[in-house]
Amino acid sequence: EAGVAQSPRYKIIEKRQSVAFWCNPISGHATLYWYQQILGQGPKLLIQFQNNGVVDDSQLPKDRFSAERLKGVDSTLKIQPAKLEDSAVYLCASSSYVGQTLAGGYTFGSGTRLTVV
Amino acid sequence: DAKTTQPTSMDCAEGRAANLPCNHSTISGNEYVYWYRQIHSQGPQYIIHGLKNNETNEMASLIITEDRKSSTLILPHATLRDTAVYYCIVKAGTALIFGKGTTLSVSS
Repeated sequence: EAGVAQSPRYKIIEKRQSVAFWCNPISGHATLYWYQQILGQGPKLLIQFQNNGVVDDSQLPKDRFSAERLKGVDSTLKIQPAKLEDSAVYLCASSSYVGQTLAGGYTFGSGTRLTVV
Repeated sequence: DAKTTQPTSMDCAEGRAANLPCNHSTISGNEYVYWYRQIHSQGPQYIIHGLKNNETNEMASLIITEDRKSSTLILPHATLRDTAVYYCIVKAGTALIFGKGTTLSVSS
């Protein structure tokens, strides 16, 4: 089974620039998540998709962050304009549910390390 | 989701069992306990999960107390490659909420 693919692996941008991250989940996984992990902290959920619909985006800073999952497969997370405090690893994960029960765990990608200078 | 409490760090000798505790005293009856680990520069990796009964898989064992207020993840024979941050998560909703986890250091 292929894993969750993310690109790019690393990105360095200047503050106020824009950046986009891409994620391709495991085939057949209907649920997709974006997490932000700041150095020394646990991952923080930004947004959750079920197919191409948003389930939870309560922690997404909507003034600068946006995400979409057209066609319910791969997803893009965008930051515009970036701030210094956005420096973090952005992780994508996918999962499948059987009814209301999570079947196993999430599968995470390796993440994109963003540095804003 | 219920809050969890884990020690900040633990040490373990290679080849010995690593027992990682987690307190979740406010857990509800329908909330599962999940364990993930994160090795440096990688995404979190699923280890095991359970509701009431003890669980075992090829990676680890999960012991949940009868009152479900705490649990222990057991790595039976720790290796250097088990050095990682281990997260205990109690989940009822549809998304995992991570805390700071326990940094396990395995040394030879």
